[in-house]
Amino acid sequence: TQLLEQSPQFLSIQEGENLTVYCNSSSVFSSLQWYRQEPGEGPVLLVTVVTGGEVKKLKRLTFQFGDARKDSSLHITAAQPGDTGLYLCAGASGGNKLVFGAGTILRVKS
Amino acid sequence: ETGVTQSPTHLIKTRGQQVTLRCSSQSGHNTVSWYQQALGQGPQFIFQYYREEENGRGNFPPRFSGLQFPNYSSELNVNALELDDSALYLCASSFFSGSSSYEQYFGPGTRLTVT
Repeated sequence: TQLLEQSPQFLSIQEGENLTVYCNSSSVFSSLQWYRQEPGEGPVLLVTVVTGGEVKKLKRLTFQFGDARKDSSLHITAAQPGDTGLYLCAGASGGNKLVFGAGTILRVKS
Repeated sequence: ETGVTQSPTHLIKTRGQQVTLRCSSQSGHNTVSWYQQALGQGPQFIFQYYREEENGRGNFPPRFSGLQFPNYSSELNVNALELDDSALYLCASSFFSGSSSYEQYFGPGTRLTVT
């Protein structure tokens, strides 16, 4: 069974601080996606990483895929209250399903 | 371009009843996947439909079934509802070429409460 472990489970920080969310597995994934989800809504795709060692930037968000394609990280620089939400990583498995981590709840206080 | 839509938004059912949830895929997509998200957890894969047939299934019992229609929309049916079926049900659409799968885009979900 493929599992993705996210850490930390919950993060509460002040506006302007930096943070990193980790997503780890013992399995290799063909790609890994990061989503952000608001309460009562569906996950919104932020980025997809495909190549081992790949780094992608989306404004203040930096995503990295591990060299062995088993882990990933999301780094947010100078967090803002609008970044508050549930961050989910999901690994693509077998070409037709996503395996999700349990998520990291981020709260940014102004 | 129209995104993924789901109906209804909320639903309350009694244990033992049956429920049908609906999903319309994003324009240009041919594949629909269904996920169950319990409170405080990440989504769990139920199954995927491609070319109107089931194309992969997660660890869910047979009382969870689905359909895909020629216009790529889909239904999720759950029979003999149990209290543990209470969750947010998410539909995601994507384009599958037959050999490669692309990014999945989610709808807003249907919140099912079983009492």
